[in-house]
Amino acid sequence: KQEVTQIPAALSVPEGENLVLNCSFTDSAIYNLQWFRQDPGKGLTSLLLIQSSQREQTSGRLNASLDKSSGRSTLYIAASQPGDSATYLCAVDHNAGNMLTFGGGTRLMVKP
Amino acid sequence: ETGVTQTPRHLVMGMTNKKSLKCEQHLGHNAMYWYKQSAKKPLELMFVYNFKEQTENNSVPSRFSPECPNSSHLFLHLHTLQPEDSALYLCASSQDLTSGVSYNEQFFGPGTRLTVL
Repeated sequence: KQEVTQIPAALSVPEGENLVLNCSFTDSAIYNLQWFRQDPGKGLTSLLLIQSSQREQTSGRLNASLDKSSGRSTLYIAASQPGDSATYLCAVDHNAGNMLTFGGGTRLMVKP
Repeated sequence: ETGVTQTPRHLVMGMTNKKSLKCEQHLGHNAMYWYKQSAKKPLELMFVYNFKEQTENNSVPSRFSPECPNSSHLFLHLHTLQPEDSALYLCASSQDLTSGVSYNEQFFGPGTRLTVL
């Protein structure tokens, strides 16, 4: 059974810092990995999707990497801003879209 | 309306009530999903529909009954729920589940916050 773990569970940083969020998964037979952002009490916003054949994806200040063989992904946020405060979730797709398994999330607070 | 919408946004119900959650997607997708997000637990997949046919039921109790009348609409009918069913229920959609497609980004609605008294 696929298990997804995110470390740390919570993170507080001053504005302007670069930071890395970690995601690990136990079964490397995945189709893709997706990073989401969730604001309190709200739905999920898709940030980046990395296909299993890719090593990284970039969108603005966000960069996500994938190392399938070691079962790891990282989300790098450059020059963090208070508006980046949210919970970040990673999810692995191990059945071509049928089954997304989510991690528990990292709750990020960026202080002005 | 764009993206994925869900109604109602908040719902309070007693254990003997019957209610329904509604999800609508305006993205031209053919796959739709229900997820449950409880406090301090990871998001859990409940049901998957592809072209109106249910393809996954992740061992969900029968007091939750999904319905997908067409590719744009998904319902979750609720009856005789328990207090532990209180959670945020999220709907999502994606292009479809055609065999061999490895890219299948899911787009989520804002969720329905359900409280069972």
